[in-house]
Amino acid sequence: QQQVKQSPQSLIVQKGGISIINCAYENTAFDYFPWYQQFPGKGPALLIAIRPDVSEKKEGRFTISFNKSAKQFSLHIMDSQPGDSATYFCAASMTNQGGKLIFGQGTELSVKP
Amino acid sequence: DAMVIQNPRYQVTQFGKPVTLSCSQTLNHNVMYWYQQKSSQAPKLLFHYYDKDFNNEADTPDNFQSRRPNTSFCFLDIRSPGLGDAAMYLCATSRDKGPYEQYFGPGTRLTVT
Repeated sequence: QQQVKQSPQSLIVQKGGISIINCAYENTAFDYFPWYQQFPGKGPALLIAIRPDVSEKKEGRFTISFNKSAKQFSLHIMDSQPGDSATYFCAASMTNQGGKLIFGQGTELSVKP
Repeated sequence: DAMVIQNPRYQVTQFGKPVTLSCSQTLNHNVMYWYQQKSSQAPKLLFHYYDKDFNNEADTPDNFQSRRPNTSFCFLDIRSPGLGDAAMYLCATSRDKGPYEQYFGPGTRLTVT
């Protein structure tokens, strides 16, 4: 019930294409869904986050789509660039557990020039 | 710049030899977290401090301990490192409990020989 399942494990996209990463969860008590971007040898950095009262959030080329009834959320990277090549983690947390993040397994994105 | 700093960035220790990793933050955040991240895996929460209140994850081995002498500093002590403890150790901070962004440090890469 505490798991967050992420797919695909790896993704190769051409420059300018759309990258889509999907996550699913079971626990309806989760109330915060962030996406983190991690480059090799660096710590994760928050990319974008959404709360369950919103179905979509967009920041620049990055969009989260959230489907509360299906308990799924996804990250869309529009006009993908080689500089976007990194590992992406979705996560979920619930306020009554002190904001503890439950991470998905990660997706290694490679954007080819 | 306000940030999360981890020292050292790379640490080599011998099997069974105690080691301490340090984290400091200039964000004045109440919550500090320690994560373990193994290659190609998601970060795994070991424990966190809410102010001085220590919260251990149920599956964190007793071999791992932590200290938070003041708001700015937090230490991870590994009492008897095994080969399986080789990993990246990430420190993160959050303004407060709940659905707030976690700011990660660059990590300490621990090698056990």
